[in-house]
Amino acid sequence: RKEVEQDPGPFNVPEGATVAFNCTYSNSASQSFFWYRQDCRKEPKLLMSVYSSGNEDGRFTAQLNRASQYISLLIRDSKLSDSATYLCVVNTNAGKSTFGDGTTLTVKP
Amino acid sequence: DVKVTQSSRYLVKRTGEKVFLECVQDMDHENMFWYRQDPGLGLRLIYFSYDVKMKEKGDIPEGYSVSREKKERFSLILESASTNQTSMYLCASSLTGGGQETQYFGPGTRLLVL
Repeated sequence: RKEVEQDPGPFNVPEGATVAFNCTYSNSASQSFFWYRQDCRKEPKLLMSVYSSGNEDGRFTAQLNRASQYISLLIRDSKLSDSATYLCVVNTNAGKSTFGDGTTLTVKP
Repeated sequence: DVKVTQSSRYLVKRTGEKVFLECVQDMDHENMFWYRQDPGLGLRLIYFSYDVKMKEKGDIPEGYSVSREKKERFSLILESASTNQTSMYLCASSLTGGGQETQYFGPGTRLLVL
């Protein structure tokens, strides 16, 4: 079993839709959590950190459930420019990051 | 703005050649990382470094070595390239902060080993 597992995708949604991605992690000692975005043939870039209390950045909401060891990303009012691969990332206290394989989102007109 | 640069965007090498991939960051970050990314396998950590002259093996170090002689520079070395090392190689850097660090990635090097 992988340390970090994501929804397999791909997700194909129309513009304006709401879409949610889940990610589960197996290491209960994990300390911090992130969502990265990776455009086709580009490097990953931080989308948002995920805090225990949940956090929102515009149309994006991230939540963490430590008891069940999963994090989620909700995208409201999807835009064409949201099309990308979304990577779930989990850090241990030693600073080592484990990446999920990513979930591909395609937003269509 | 953090900038991480990699020496080449595309590289073609032959089996058995020695390959050097260089990464430079300009934000005085302590931590530097080398990953490879393959379809269906995601990003896998090859080596990382917490400080100058320090290195730690990641999940897939076999066939690779690294060098960090200066804080801003982290090199990945393929001693004898093989076809199964054809991949996208990504370098990243981060500050040290108890696990909350954001990683900043370079643009990647697409390596083809023939």
